[in-house]
Order: sequence, then C-alpha cells, then structure tokens
Amino acid sequence: EVQLVESGGGLVQPGGSLKLSCVASGFTFSDYATHWVRQASGKGLEWVGRIRNKANNYATAYGASVKGRFTISRDDSKDTAYLQMDSLETEDTAVYSCARLGEGVALKNAFDVWGQGTMVTVSS
Amino acid sequence: DIVVTQSPDSLAVSLGERATINCKSSQSVLYSSNNKNRLAWYQQKAGQPPKLLIHWASTRESGVPDRFSGSGSGTDFTLTISSLQAEDVAVYYCQQYYSSPVTFGGGTKVEIK
Repeated sequence: EVQLVESGGGLVQPGGSLKLSCVASGFTFSDYATHWVRQASGKGLEWVGRIRNKANNYATAYGASVKGRFTISRDDSKDTAYLQMDSLETEDTAVYSCARLGEGVALKNAFDVWGQGTMVTVSS
Repeated sequence: DIVVTQSPDSLAVSLGERATINCKSSQSVLYSSNNKNRLAWYQQKAGQPPKLLIHWASTRESGVPDRFSGSGSGTDFTLTISSLQAEDVAVYYCQQYYSSPVTFGGGTKVEIK
C-alpha cells in the first residue's frame, strides 16, 4: 500500500523547536518531491515547503511565513523526509501533513498521496 | 506569488443537482512544455486529509467518479459535480503548481440543500 506516515508532533512552547518525520512506503520515495502542508483548525490549506528529488538537486523552497525558521530535509536511504521547525510561534499551531508530488510532464504534478497528519501545538 | 481565488465560499445543492465551483489564478498556469495547466482539485472530508480529484486541470484521478469533472485554461477553472451525492459533502480546494510557492484557493464548502 502506498502511504505516508507523519510523526513527531506535540506541544511546544513559543520559541521552541520540533522535528517532524514523514516515512514513505509502497513506492520509490526517491523518485518524488515531498511537500509539507499545514492546516490550522477550521482553516484552509497552507503550503509550508518542499524538497525535490536527487535529479533536481534536492532543492528546497518555503512559504513566506516559515522561511528562515523551518528546514526540510530527506534521507532517501530511510524513505523519510523531515521538517525541522525552530523559533515556533503560536500561529504555527496546526496539523502538519506531508504529501507526495511527481514532477515532469509524464507525472501528475499534484499531491496524489497524503499522510494523515500530525498535530503541532505551540502554547505556553 | 500566484494568488488563487475560489468562489463561492459555500454552496448548498439538492441531491442529484449540479454543483459548480470556480477557481481563478492571478497568472496563467499553462505549462508550455505540454500545453497543460498545472492546476489541481482536492476534496477534503471532515477529519481526513485532502484527496486528489483532478490534476492537469481536467484529468480525473483513478477511482474518482465520473460525475466530477474539471475544465478551464490559463487563469480560469471550474470543478463540476454533475449530480451531487450525499458522500460529496466536503470542502473542495483548487491549487496551482505552476510556480513556487504552491498556492491553494481558500476552499468551497459543499452541503446538501
């Protein structure tokens, strides 16, 4: 079964750090870009950032609200992507999900596999 | 950044009737390499992650009922549910992947009238 499973969420104080993991199974993880998307309670979807695959030099990009505070990495040998979150703010409270995206004209260029998400709460 | 605007914010439709959701991008998302639009539609039911319905603006994902269809090009797109079923109650999002950052529309909540 093709799936993504996130872990690492929890309660953290403002200014603190947290590292999320996204473990892939059922497909060749290294072929795909991995994106992170978050959703605050009752709100819409907000793109956090992405890391592309090796063929695209593992290039990263981030949304404006997290740039400089969050870092995305991956370990293809472990079929895992990571989201390192530093200098957390109360506004970062949300469910964080990872999603797979296949790039190029032959692939879907959309998020066709999503994890269930992990809750991050930033509060004192 | 490309701004993606959805309308309406919510929609109540009778069972068996048509539901239409609009999505407008602030710039064209037409990908010149294949002349297709980098625009996708997702369905999100309560307590679940989003589910991909349509990619490349009009290509239905495998397993998605054919009552769902996507159309449009350039900057204006539409998701149509031809005959609304009870299981279609959800929030629907459009999203562009033409350029970074990826951006989503604000969502359209579809309910039964």
